[in-house]
Amino acid sequence: AQSVTQLGSHVSVSEGALVLLRCNYSSSVPPYLFWYVQYPNQGLQLLLKYTSAATLVKGINGFEAEFKKSETSFHLTKPSAHMSDAAEYFCAVGANFGNEKLTFGTGTRLTIIP
Amino acid sequence: AAGVIQSPRHLIKEKRETATLKCYPIPRHDTVYWYQQGPGQDPQFLISFYEKMQSDKGSIPDRFSAQQFSDYHSELNMSSLELGDSALYFCASSLRQAGSYEQYFGPGTRLTVT
Repeated sequence: AQSVTQLGSHVSVSEGALVLLRCNYSSSVPPYLFWYVQYPNQGLQLLLKYTSAATLVKGINGFEAEFKKSETSFHLTKPSAHMSDAAEYFCAVGANFGNEKLTFGTGTRLTIIP
Repeated sequence: AAGVIQSPRHLIKEKRETATLKCYPIPRHDTVYWYQQGPGQDPQFLISFYEKMQSDKGSIPDRFSAQQFSDYHSELNMSSLELGDSALYFCASSLRQAGSYEQYFGPGTRLTVT
């Protein structure tokens, strides 16, 4: 079975500050990991993915994440927060090379303080 | 670029009624996934289809059924609706044959059961 745990259901950062959203995974096989962003009343947009290539993954909107096997972590970061980053962020793990169901974490709501 | 299309976007039904949600995947995508997102919750996997055959099944109630048609669109049929079925229902598609690990999500159908 696979699962992800997102630490912190709510995170607030000041505009221009570092964004750090935490995700830890549990998987009996090499995981395929994803970060999705959801704006209010909208669908899920893929930010970035880890598929066993480079451990540092760059995504859209200036986000990146680093896969750390020793820590079973896949934390999402952005050097400088922008007001438009305010949204719900979901970490997800995929089974069977990511071609099967995604198991999502409980989400982290990011608030940007002006 | 073409995205996943879901219809209707909003649906209001009464208890014990039936509902049909439709999903049109990105052209040439061969896999469709259905997820249910309750209020304030993470998306939960319901069912998936690959090349018109069911490929995986999650926590989908027996009152729900789904299929993928020859043109690859998919329908989620929900009967004997309950208040607890009120949720956002997402469809996602991917191109499994190409070894793509990315699931692209539609905007969702918001179902309200009264």
